[in-house]
Amino acid sequence: DGGITQSPKYLFRKEGQNVTLSCEQNLNHDAMYWYRQDPGQGLRLIYYSQIVNDFQKGDIAEGYSVSREKKESFPLTVTSAQKNPTAFYLCASSTTGGYWETQYFGPGTRLLVL
Amino acid sequence: SQQGEEDPQALSIQEGENATMNCSYKTSINNLQWYRQNSGRGLVHLILIRSNEREKHSGRLRVTLDTSKKSSSLLITASRAADTASYFCATKASGSARQLTFGSGTQLTVLP
Repeated sequence: DGGITQSPKYLFRKEGQNVTLSCEQNLNHDAMYWYRQDPGQGLRLIYYSQIVNDFQKGDIAEGYSVSREKKESFPLTVTSAQKNPTAFYLCASSTTGGYWETQYFGPGTRLLVL
Repeated sequence: SQQGEEDPQALSIQEGENATMNCSYKTSINNLQWYRQNSGRGLVHLILIRSNEREKHSGRLRVTLDTSKKSSSLLITASRAADTASYFCATKASGSARQLTFGSGTQLTVLP
């Protein structure tokens, strides 16, 4: 089945620790995105990538880092510099062939701080 | 700040009734999309309307777009308990930007 997967479903972070969230897609999409969602709120863009080995900061990139070494994978690292990391993190992908791209979302990772 | 803002923030209706949600935005757009999110899950794309379109239908969904007022509405007809979810509008700005900007969502509860 084609789709986008995220792991783990739940992640716990200790003080001062970096953690990495996984996102994989087999939709052959060029573009991938990371969003953060806080309770009762909409999605805020952290980083996005339109092609392998290239990525751009979104609205709230501070305290986060990404890599895009393969088309299928776009991992997000939440660094110790992110002081309020507790949130629901969503990964998405889309084609880049036109101006009407819709985004396909993974099931999300909930990050909690111990 | 969020480009799109949904109204109302929460809506509770009886099964069989229609549900209407509104979205306002601030800048020129290429298209506007509506997504649905079940609690604790990812978002699912529902419908896209282009800036040169005024109305679009998909099953029980009807979307309108008024670019002069920078607003859109999503109508769900004959609602079902399974329609209970959060609904988000997302705008794609005019120009080369590929990102979507999401609103804060409307939480719809359909009571059986």
